[in-house]
Amino acid sequence: EPEVTQTPSHQVTQMGQEVILRCVPISNHLYFYWYRQILGQKVEFLVSFYNNEISEKSEIFDDQFSVERPDGSNFTLKIRSTKLEDSAMYFCASSEVRFAGFNGYTFGSGTRLTVV
Amino acid sequence: AQTVTQSQPEMSVQEAETVTLSCTYDTSENNYYLFWYKQPPSRQMILVIRQEAYKQQNATENRFSVNFQKAAKSFSLKISDSQLGDTAMYFCAFMKHGNRDDKIIFGKGTRLHILP
Repeated sequence: EPEVTQTPSHQVTQMGQEVILRCVPISNHLYFYWYRQILGQKVEFLVSFYNNEISEKSEIFDDQFSVERPDGSNFTLKIRSTKLEDSAMYFCASSEVRFAGFNGYTFGSGTRLTVV
Repeated sequence: AQTVTQSQPEMSVQEAETVTLSCTYDTSENNYYLFWYKQPPSRQMILVIRQEAYKQQNATENRFSVNFQKAAKSFSLKISDSQLGDTAMYFCAFMKHGNRDDKIIFGKGTRLHILP
């Protein structure tokens, strides 16, 4: 069964450093998303991406965050200057269609980001 | 704004028993999707079951079924013949059916323990 692949599984970074989280969505999917889950809390939407541009972003997704699909297969989330409160599990997700026959997203296994 | 409420932070049942997880939501939308996602200790988000709001028939996937009460805005998950592998965090989730807004709103989750 096709999977969404995220690398690395765990990243430790120093506060103030830039970090890039990588995702390879399912190949025929067109819609891409990042979510995050702070330990013990609910999963929160960050951003959706379609046709090489951001469709929607949450208030969490401030100027420190950016997304990119650099080569048609990878989908990356960059945090420019990490803060302690960015420590969380970051999930990438993709979907083939949005509405008719929508089966929900396929999530990756997540990247655990620890900012020290 | 849509909200999803899961009133049971944690539940435990014996293996082979039936368990029901509660979920209520608030929306002014008429067309939407509802989901239950499972998050085992591996932290991956796995879609368990989905329901389209315009369908009156409750969705069923093997041992998993839902009780969708649209007027009451209730969407409970029933797990029959529970198995040890069902131990996980379960998230109820909502998504509007519309052109621009395809983010999923998650509840805070119910941690389910299946006891041997």
